[in-house]
Amino acid sequence: DTGVSQNPRHKITKRGQNVTFRCDPISEHNRLYWYRQTLGQGPEFLTYFQNEAQLEKSRLLSDRFSAERPKGSFSTLEIQRTEQGDSAMYLCASSPPAGSSYNEQFFGPGTRLTVL
Amino acid sequence: QKEVEQNSGPLSVPEGAIASLNCTYSDRGSQSFFWYRQYSGKSPELIMFIYSNGDKEDGRFTAQLNKASQYVSLLIRDSQPSDSATYLCAVREGEVRFGAGTRLTVKP
Repeated sequence: DTGVSQNPRHKITKRGQNVTFRCDPISEHNRLYWYRQTLGQGPEFLTYFQNEAQLEKSRLLSDRFSAERPKGSFSTLEIQRTEQGDSAMYLCASSPPAGSSYNEQFFGPGTRLTVL
Repeated sequence: QKEVEQNSGPLSVPEGAIASLNCTYSDRGSQSFFWYRQYSGKSPELIMFIYSNGDKEDGRFTAQLNKASQYVSLLIRDSQPSDSATYLCAVREGEVRFGAGTRLTVKP
């Protein structure tokens, strides 16, 4: 399977717990994005990596959220002290290097988080 | 705040008709424009991308871009029930921003 993969697909947690999600991008893609999507809304940008460098982070993103991409391959998104408002689908997308013949993003299946 | 606006719908068209989906954006520096389709409970999948003013056709889909009016649209010809989904407009200027999506229903 050469698409973007995300794990776990579903996560149910209690308020106050920490959760971590993983994203494995398409292998030749050096750009990686995290989004959050709630019902009836489009994906909301969270953060962006080019290789291992985190180049952009949404100003709306709480400091409870942190993302890493230590070796420029897979990425993790951690949410500390989860709140019920964090319940959403967390989407990862990847795209090839800038200047490639195409630059569109390809999305993974998402991780659905439910905070009780 | 940079905005991408879409009519939320629902838009309902009969099978075989043309569905027209519209999107406006606020950032004049935007360079790339995308249409994604999202079925309920699934992640977005790319349908079309367009970078230059004018029309771009791919099968039953036509994307139209007017940078002067900051407007991008998607036409779906010969609509099929399987086209029923939410259509997301996305705009790239640095980061990618999505609209809230338009829900399309194609009735047999």
